[in-house]
Amino acid sequence: SQQGEEDPQALSIQEGENATMNCSYKTSINNLQWYRQNSGRGLVHLILIRSNEREKHSGRLRVTLDTSKKSSSLLITASRAADTASYFCAGGNYGQNFVFGPGTRLSVLP
Amino acid sequence: DAGVTQSPTHLIKTRGQQVTLRCSPKSGHDTVSWYQQALGQGPQFIFQYYEEEERQRGNFPDRFSGHQFPNYSSELNVNALLLGDSALYLCASSLGQGTNSYEQYFGPGTRLTVT
Repeated sequence: SQQGEEDPQALSIQEGENATMNCSYKTSINNLQWYRQNSGRGLVHLILIRSNEREKHSGRLRVTLDTSKKSSSLLITASRAADTASYFCAGGNYGQNFVFGPGTRLSVLP
Repeated sequence: DAGVTQSPTHLIKTRGQQVTLRCSPKSGHDTVSWYQQALGQGPQFIFQYYEEEERQRGNFPDRFSGHQFPNYSSELNVNALLLGDSALYLCASSLGQGTNSYEQYFGPGTRLTVT
């Protein structure tokens, strides 16, 4: 079973708009991480949120975590064409591996 | 500060052959995890090495094996290659098990094609 399940599977927006992606997970975690992947290359770590945090910001990124609903969201504000990529969430526990969902493919149109 | 490096970048093998992929972790990291990513899918966890021992393993057959060296670098070996082994193989490093720092940093991956 997958620990992370992103929604939607694909998202297409205009440059300057905000993009919101959601992630659901099944078991308890003590942290959740979001990654970006460009064209089948390596994953770039975006942000980590711990289970005792509800919201975290990093530049144009805002991540929320609702442990009661076992869900997280990633908001990218003022999107740019360079944000076009696949976005993955992965939940984990101490010393445990991360389980990734299938990802959200974001297309930002100029 | 060197990030995670992997070699080779691309590899083409024939069914039944064996392959070895290599990974050097980010400076200061001591734990290496390997993932397989099929086209259009999320990464799937293969196994994790810490202190030169396999600590965790995902749902992969014994054809997949690994090793970690004293300098924390790691190898992934796949025997008796199948067409279904064609994928992007990602290495990720992190710092320690049971520590409060568990951010994983990924390498660029090795694209394996089995024909």
